[in-house]
Amino acid sequence: EAQVTQNPRYLITVTGKKLTVTCSQNMNHEYMSWYRQDPGLGLRQIYYSMNVEVTDKGDVPEGYKVSRKEKRNFPLILESPSPNQTSLYFCASSPLDRGSGYTFGSGTRLTVV
Amino acid sequence: SQQGEEDPQALSIQEGENATMNCSYKTSINNLQWYRQNSGRGLVHLILIRSNEREKHSGRLRVTLDTSKKSSSLLITASRAADTASYFCATVLNTGTASKLTFGTGTRLQVTL
Repeated sequence: EAQVTQNPRYLITVTGKKLTVTCSQNMNHEYMSWYRQDPGLGLRQIYYSMNVEVTDKGDVPEGYKVSRKEKRNFPLILESPSPNQTSLYFCASSPLDRGSGYTFGSGTRLTVV
Repeated sequence: SQQGEEDPQALSIQEGENATMNCSYKTSINNLQWYRQNSGRGLVHLILIRSNEREKHSGRLRVTLDTSKKSSSLLITASRAADTASYFCATVLNTGTASKLTFGTGTRLQVTL
């Protein structure tokens, strides 16, 4: 089944403790992206990647890092999480043909205390 | 930054009625997409309309696009209780090698029996 898999689904952590949210897709998509969703603010893009070893900042990249060493994986790294990063996070992927919709993962609900 | 603004923010209708949601955006686009999100879950791609298209249909969905007014509408005909969800428009702008997908804040649709 074609899908984007995020792990974990739920995570509670403490301020300052480094964490990684993994994202993997099995559709050979070139484009991958991370979003956070907050009440009243909709989805905001954190980082995106057009292909392996090519990443770029979205609208809210501060406090986040990403890497794209393999085509299928696009992990989101929070080096020193803070409470304002408590949010619902989504990974998405799409082919680069620019005429396709995006496939989203099921989301990761992160709470930083 | 938010590109799309959906209207209304919330909509409650009875099963069998039609639901219309509107989206306005600010900049040029290459295409506009509509997504559905069940509470706390990942987004599901519904339909994509290109900037040179004016109307598109998919099952009970009808999307229109007016690039002169920078607006789009999503019509769901003969709604069902299972259509209860949040609906988001997202604009895509391709610049060089980058492709940016920007979401609006969504319309919450409640379909009652």
